[in-house]
Amino acid sequence: AQKITQTQPGMFVQEKEAVTLDCTYDTSDPSYGLFWYKQPSSGEMIFLIYQGSYDQQNATEGRYSLNFQKARKSANLVISASQLGDSAMYFCAMREGPGNQGGKLIFGQGTELSVKP
Amino acid sequence: GAGVSQSPSNKVTEKGKDVELRCDPISGHTALYWYRQSLGQGLEFLIYFQGNSAPDKSGLPSDRFSAERTGGSVSTLTIQRTQQEDSAVYLCASSLGPGLAANTGELFFGEGSRLTVL
Repeated sequence: AQKITQTQPGMFVQEKEAVTLDCTYDTSDPSYGLFWYKQPSSGEMIFLIYQGSYDQQNATEGRYSLNFQKARKSANLVISASQLGDSAMYFCAMREGPGNQGGKLIFGQGTELSVKP
Repeated sequence: GAGVSQSPSNKVTEKGKDVELRCDPISGHTALYWYRQSLGQGLEFLIYFQGNSAPDKSGLPSDRFSAERTGGSVSTLTIQRTQQEDSAVYLCASSLGPGLAANTGELFFGEGSRLTVL
C-alpha cells in the first residue's frame, strides 16, 4: 500500500528566506511519480512541481525545487526567497506506476506555511 | 471548457437527503477523479475513472456513495441518505490518462463543491 507522510502541520518562514517542507513516501513499486500542490485559502489546487522516480536530476520550477532522496524515500519541497503570497497549504502526493499509464494520486495531510513580513 | 468545472459550488442539505455533485472535466482528458477534503485536512481519494475501464472505487467510504461517468466525460457523484460527517469539499480532477510518453499524470482540479449537511 502506498503512503505519504508530511510531518509538519505548520511552518513559519521570514519573507525572502528559504524554507523546506518535508515529505516521505512508501511504495514497493519501482516506478512512481511525486507531486507538490499548493492550496491557498481560496481553495484551488495549484500544481507546483513533479519528480519521476527514474529522473536523474532533482526537479526545479522557478523558486521551487524538489530535494529527491530516493534511498531515503523523501521528496522535500524547497521554496527559495519566500514571498507573502506563498502562505498556503502545501500537499505532497504520489502516484504509483509510470505517468503515461495514469493512476490515482494519494495525498499527504499537508503543511500550512505562513510567511512573515 | 478551459478547466475542470464543478457544480454546485455550494450545497446545503438536510440529514437523510440525497445529493448529486457534477464534474465536467477538461476536454480530451480521459481520466477523472473524485476526492473529499474535510476542513483542515488532506485530500481523501474516493474514485477514479479511466476511459472505458472499470472504475477504481477503492476509496468510497460506504455504499451510500456512488459515482458514474457518462460518455467518458461528465461525472456525477451521488451521496444517498447524507450524514453530518459527509460535510466536506468534494474536489474533482482530470488528467490526460495513459498513452503519452511525456505525461507525468498531473491532475488538474476543479474549484470544488462544498457540501454542508445540517
